[in-house]
Amino acid sequence: DILMTQSPSTLSASVGDRVTITCRASQRISNWLAWYQQKPGKAPKLLIYKTSTLESGVPSRFSGSGSGTEFTLTINSLQPDDFATYYCQQYENYPCTFGPGTKLEMK
Amino acid sequence: DVQLLESGGGLVQPGGSLRLSCVPSGITFRNYAFSWIRQAPGKGLEWLSAISGSGGNTYYADSVRGRFTVSRDNSKNRLYLQMNNLRAEDTAVYFCAKDNMVASYWGQGTLVTVSS
Repeated sequence: DILMTQSPSTLSASVGDRVTITCRASQRISNWLAWYQQKPGKAPKLLIYKTSTLESGVPSRFSGSGSGTEFTLTINSLQPDDFATYYCQQYENYPCTFGPGTKLEMK
Repeated sequence: DVQLLESGGGLVQPGGSLRLSCVPSGITFRNYAFSWIRQAPGKGLEWLSAISGSGGNTYYADSVRGRFTVSRDNSKNRLYLQMNNLRAEDTAVYFCAKDNMVASYWGQGTLVTVSS
């Protein structure tokens, strides 16, 4: 199975900041990577797929990049609604594995 | 609007069985693959299983292969997850999601608690 790691595990930031979350895969996954946002008590929400394609309705302050084994999620100009936990997921092959999550909290 | 509604969760003893259901709406059910994903209390997401639109192809995580079975009834627009030989570590919120790899839409989840 492909192991996904994320860093940092927790990120403290303020409204208006630009933040970056890194996701690494234990083997090359081309660009088969997705990002999800989850708020407490809610189901996750798809933000980005195929590394950099924004899901419909997702604000343009979210962006994704990377290839191979290293990927990043960047949020420009953080908004109050963005404080949540973020997960990456590889779908190069089954089983599709998630990273452990990055909790973005308010500083 | 696409919506998915899970049901069937509850309290079950170790070694017991449970069948979860998921009813999507707002889409042509048979045209889509679906996944099951779970989240243990306070933990991250774990992809469990997926099934193709026809039901002819199924996929499982090692942690549940041989114990869980995904199926679907396209005549009833229903997705199922049959869970046998449940363990304490299966305690989680179980989500169904549209599509087999990238989960584009999620249900609200159903809680399964395995405890004596």
